[in-house]
Amino acid sequence: QKEVEQDPGPLSVPEGAIVSLNCTYSNSAFQYFMWYRQYSRKGPELLMYTYSSGNKEDGRFTAQVDKSSKYISLFIRDSQPSDSATYLCAMRRNSGNTPLVFGKGTRLSVIA
Amino acid sequence: ETGVTQSPTHLIKTRGQQVTLRCSSQSGHNTVSWYQQALGQGPQFIFQYYREEENGRGNFPPRFSGLQFPNYSSELNVNALELDDSALYLCASSFAGEEKLFFGSGTQLSVL
Repeated sequence: QKEVEQDPGPLSVPEGAIVSLNCTYSNSAFQYFMWYRQYSRKGPELLMYTYSSGNKEDGRFTAQVDKSSKYISLFIRDSQPSDSATYLCAMRRNSGNTPLVFGKGTRLSVIA
Repeated sequence: ETGVTQSPTHLIKTRGQQVTLRCSSQSGHNTVSWYQQALGQGPQFIFQYYREEENGRGNFPPRFSGLQFPNYSSELNVNALELDDSALYLCASSFAGEEKLFFGSGTQLSVL
């Protein structure tokens, strides 16, 4: 079993839809959770960062972490064609010195 | 504030050759990590450097090696290239102890 599981999609939605992306993980030691957006052949761009369980909102983006279920989600409201990208979840055990463990990424297309 | 920059952007090598990839970290960041991202996969941790010393390594063979310089820039060297080394190589920088990583745009390496 991989440490981090993420459905690769592809996921196609109409413009304006609410998008739900999620990851599950097996290592209960993970404490820091991130979502990255990656455009084709570019480096990942940090979107959201959450420590431990809870919700965090930033504009149209909401990140949720449920450590009891080992499940994290990213919601995108009022999706736009410019949101079309691959979304990667990532997590790490401790601050700083431990590597990020990534999911495979979910490819999202928002159709105008 | 400058971001993470990597060079070259693209590189084509043949099996058995050696390659050096370069990274300049974001201003103020003293920790550099390297990740390998195969097509359709999430990034995989190669190693991390702090204060010019390797302080973490993923499941990669010794022919993957690196350096960090006093100005915090870094190199990734790969010897005896194999076809499976074809991937996007990502450099990420951070400030020691901080959880967030900031990635460069990557070097696309093709091994023929």
